Amino acid sequence: DSGVTQTPKHLITATGQRVTLRCSPRSGDLSVYWYQQSLDQGLQFLIQYYNGEERAKGNILERFSAQQFPDLHSELNLSSLELGDSALYFCASSPRVVLGEQYFGPGTRLTVT
Amino acid sequence: AQSVTQLDSQVPVFEEAPVELRCNYSSSVSVYLFWYVQYPNQGLQLLLKYLSGSTLVKGINGFEAEFNKSQTSFHLRKPSVHISDTAEYFCAVSEFGAQKLVFGQGTRLTINP
Repeated sequence: DSGVTQTPKHLITATGQRVTLRCSPRSGDLSVYWYQQSLDQGLQFLIQYYNGEERAKGNILERFSAQQFPDLHSELNLSSLELGDSALYFCASSPRVVLGEQYFGPGTRLTVT
Repeated sequence: AQSVTQLDSQVPVFEEAPVELRCNYSSSVSVYLFWYVQYPNQGLQLLLKYLSGSTLVKGINGFEAEFNKSQTSFHLRKPSVHISDTAEYFCAVSEFGAQKLVFGQGTRLTINP
């Protein structure tokens, strides 16, 4: 158990809908990272927050957004969902702002039908 | 931009045999290197990391990896595998000062009795 929690574990929704994925980092970790894992794209970095501020952006679509709250939990919002958004979404946390070891949550499996 | 190539998508080996999972990276600057393992239906767990110092890095579960700067490689090895090592293994790289991990496509290690 990494100490990173993600909810929900599974999510099934229809195209065009909007969903919110939630992540609670390890106690004391200030950095939160979001990744998408799909069969065709592999593991892709989406976005990073550190202590409430966005610090780095990767291959994140404009339909996707994230935020980190004062209690350090983070939410990833996915809107106007398409079939191709079906994937595993991982959250990771680390104590530093610059990359060090990251601790991954169990992931949220999103299925868009 | 950095990239990671895992040369084998699948590696089948017999139990108690040695294994090597190959990873090459491309970057114009100095990097940190990581190997993560993903067991079925779970998140990623850090196996080992190279940040600086000795080029031979030992990790958990008897794995080790060697950083070879001239070959831009970071191959993962284990002298004797166990059935419980069956998993997907990901090599990842991050440039100094960068905020994200770039992952390879993964290598599925299958252990046959």
